[in-house]
Amino acid sequence: EPEVTQTPSHQVTQMGQEVILRCVPISNHLYFYWYRQILGQKVEFLVSFYNNEISEKSEIFDDQFSVERPDGSNFTLKIRSTKLEDSAMYFCASSPTGFTGELFFGEGSRLTVL
Amino acid sequence: EDKVVQSPLSLVVHEGDTVTLNCSYEVTNFRSLLWYKQEKKAPTFLFMLTSSGIEKKSGRLSSILDKKELSSILNITATQTGDSAIYLCAVPTSGTYKYIFGTGTRLKVLA
Repeated sequence: EPEVTQTPSHQVTQMGQEVILRCVPISNHLYFYWYRQILGQKVEFLVSFYNNEISEKSEIFDDQFSVERPDGSNFTLKIRSTKLEDSAMYFCASSPTGFTGELFFGEGSRLTVL
Repeated sequence: EDKVVQSPLSLVVHEGDTVTLNCSYEVTNFRSLLWYKQEKKAPTFLFMLTSSGIEKKSGRLSSILDKKELSSILNITATQTGDSAIYLCAVPTSGTYKYIFGTGTRLKVLA
């Protein structure tokens, strides 16, 4: 069964360093997302992406964050200068049917900022 | 402000029990509601509901939407220890391209 894959599964970084989280969405999906979940808290929306551009971003998604679809398969989230509060599980998700369709999540990338 | 509220926050039952989880929402232009099961990591898709009164069923799990009451329930019959998880509900917000999630219901099924 097709699935969303994410790498790395866990990354530990020092505050101020740049990190790139990678995702390969399900191949025929066109709508992509990043969500995050701080330990013990709600799943929070970061950004949605369609047709090679950002459709919407949350207040969390400030200038330190960027997303890119560098080729036909990968979808990346970059955090330029990590802060302690960026420590969270980051989930990539994709949808086949638009922004109100089913979301399929990857296994997540756990980011720990020291 | 759009929001999703789930209840109860947590629930402990014994194997074989039936449980009902609730999700209430407030959005201006309702389009759909999703249920997910989250065990250790990623939320796993269970159901998408768009029409009131039509039950979606998958094995021992079923869900129904009540647009009049702005809510949905997720039922699990004959619970098993493998049903232990956090159950999440999500709704797309009005006129935007994002889902908001409830805090989830943490279900623990004891053997």
